[in-house]
Amino acid sequence: NAGVTQTPKFRVLKTGQSMTLLCAQDMNHEYMYWYRQDPGMGLRLIHYSVGEGTTAKGEVPDGYNVSRLKKQNFLLGLESAAPSQTSVYFCASGLRLNYGYTFGSGTRLTVV
Amino acid sequence: AQSVTQLDSQVPVFEEAPVELRCNYSSSVSVYLFWYVQYPNQGLQLLLKYLSGSTLVKGINGFEAEFNKSQTSFHLRKPSVHISDTAEYFCAVITAQGGSEKLVFGKGTKLTVNP
Repeated sequence: NAGVTQTPKFRVLKTGQSMTLLCAQDMNHEYMYWYRQDPGMGLRLIHYSVGEGTTAKGEVPDGYNVSRLKKQNFLLGLESAAPSQTSVYFCASGLRLNYGYTFGSGTRLTVV
Repeated sequence: AQSVTQLDSQVPVFEEAPVELRCNYSSSVSVYLFWYVQYPNQGLQLLLKYLSGSTLVKGINGFEAEFNKSQTSFHLRKPSVHISDTAEYFCAVITAQGGSEKLVFGKGTKLTVNP
């Protein structure tokens, strides 16, 4: 039982490059979230999903896209990376609203 | 839409002293409330949660929090802190009634426990 696994753990991109971050959970959770964490800003919600095939925008969705084709996977895409997207990205999942949420260990992304 | 305000960005305390980390939320509907802890270079770990019922909630590592509906607060407390409690603490809220399943976090409070 691995919980929530984020891939990759570290990545350096050049401005304009694209990439996909993968979040995988093996707990059969319905809810999945993508956050970015920046110093002094806390965690800001990028996109989230309430079940397979669904996605919704969070607080800071611009520049990101997501997909939830399989229940266990939630993908975060950057089509054209910008230095402002340098951050630590966290994925979280939960069984239901009041369940409490399990976090991955994060992906540290640097855009140069 | 719900929001969370953590009133202190940094809280320094001495070992074995009590501590309170403050959290206020705004929402027009019923909410679920959470406190998470993040140790350096790690992900977030759930400390405790308020869903309904008793307003005093006990969590792991000796922490507890009190839900105050009239004050819209959910402050975190520990009667005696240890060096190992040094970490960043986040308060979070989600609407209890569906319709908006956004889990929203405050900006965090860095707790530093000094010897």
